[in-house]
Amino acid sequence: KAGVTQTPRYLIKTRGQQVTLSCSPISGHRSVSWYQQTPGQGLQFLFEYFSETQRNKGNFPGRFSGRQFSNSRSEMNVSTLELGDSALYLCASSLDSGGDGYTFGSGTRLTVV
Amino acid sequence: QKEVEQDPGPLSVPEGAIVSLNCTYSNSAFQYFMWYRQYSRKGPELLMYTYSSGNKEDGRFTAQVDKSSKYISLFIRDSQPSDSATYLCAMNYGNNRLAFGKGNQVVVIP
Repeated sequence: KAGVTQTPRYLIKTRGQQVTLSCSPISGHRSVSWYQQTPGQGLQFLFEYFSETQRNKGNFPGRFSGRQFSNSRSEMNVSTLELGDSALYLCASSLDSGGDGYTFGSGTRLTVV
Repeated sequence: QKEVEQDPGPLSVPEGAIVSLNCTYSNSAFQYFMWYRQYSRKGPELLMYTYSSGNKEDGRFTAQVDKSSKYISLFIRDSQPSDSATYLCAMNYGNNRLAFGKGNQVVVIP
């Protein structure tokens, strides 16, 4: 079966711009979570969407937002980009809660210049 | 103090050696414990999942959890060059908000 698909794989943006990243979960998975991975902080939880509703939120500023569509596909948006937003952004999907059914995509590498 | 501590130092071992990795955590509410493996330019993939204290084996991999000490370990026996990757511990309390360690880069030298 198809895995979690993230697009684009690579992105270069300028400070102050905004960016939208996309995640298509495994078919049938209703939960999509987003993480930021940097060398300094490791993997940090951004937010989780389940059935189009934000169910959990991490400790990131309001510039980071997301949404989920009725087909479970999710997007995350970062506005007013800062250099420190350069990171690998990962999404993971699962049927519902719990860690054992969690599948990650390969991520979007965002570079802010 | 971070919720999950994993000494992020790299680890180089000869092929066939035992790899030992560990994490400590501070939140006693954590109930589910995982180890992920991440290859370069890929997302993490789940290796081991456990929710009770004690050992769990899966082939060459053993996950160990000690809830009283808030300490988890991963052992890789008979390590292979294909095991070269970054290993991340993760944990949660039943929701989809995972707390991760920073990861250990493991290199298995042929």
